[in-house]
Amino acid sequence: EPEVTQTPSHQVTQMGQEVILRCVPISNHLYFYWYRQILGQKVEFLVSFYNNEISEKSEIFDDQFSVERPDGSNFTLKIRSTKLEDSAMYFCASSRAGWEKLFFGSGTQLSVL
Amino acid sequence: GENVEQHPSTLSVQEGDSAVIKCTYSDSASNYFPWYKQELGKGPQLIIDIRSNVGEKKDQRIAVTLNKTAKHFSLHITETQPEDSAVYFCAARLGGGADGLTFGKGTHLIIQP
Repeated sequence: EPEVTQTPSHQVTQMGQEVILRCVPISNHLYFYWYRQILGQKVEFLVSFYNNEISEKSEIFDDQFSVERPDGSNFTLKIRSTKLEDSAMYFCASSRAGWEKLFFGSGTQLSVL
Repeated sequence: GENVEQHPSTLSVQEGDSAVIKCTYSDSASNYFPWYKQELGKGPQLIIDIRSNVGEKKDQRIAVTLNKTAKHFSLHITETQPEDSAVYFCAARLGGGADGLTFGKGTHLIIQP
């Protein structure tokens, strides 16, 4: 069964550093998403992406965040200058169409020290 | 924006018994309600979903009911098994397109042998 894959599974960085989280969505999907989950809390929506542009973003997704689809298979989340409070599990998700089911990857655990 | 409340936060049931998890949502325009199961260290896995034009949906031991008037929906698991132990999240989505999901805070379901 096709799945969303994310790399790395765990990323440790120093505060103020830039990080890039990578995702390979399911191949025939057109909508891509990033969510995050702080330890013990609910999953929160960050951003959705369709047709090479951001469709919707939450209040969390401020100027330090950016997303990109650099080629036909990868979808990335960049955090420009990490803060301690960015420590969380980041999930990538994709769907074939905007009204269809979302499939999540296994996540990247980001630890900012 | 949308707000989703989920209860209970922890639910312990005997193996073989039924489990019910309830969610309420705030925005009557929400029209899609998925349920996700999350096992430790993994991403959310879609187990069942329902759209606002349907009142009930069943898939083997799992069922979801939706009451649009009251703005609540519930997950029912019958004949629970040890492998059902996980955290379950409900979610709601406004409209279609690339709108993000709003998640509840999760229910830790524990199946007692």
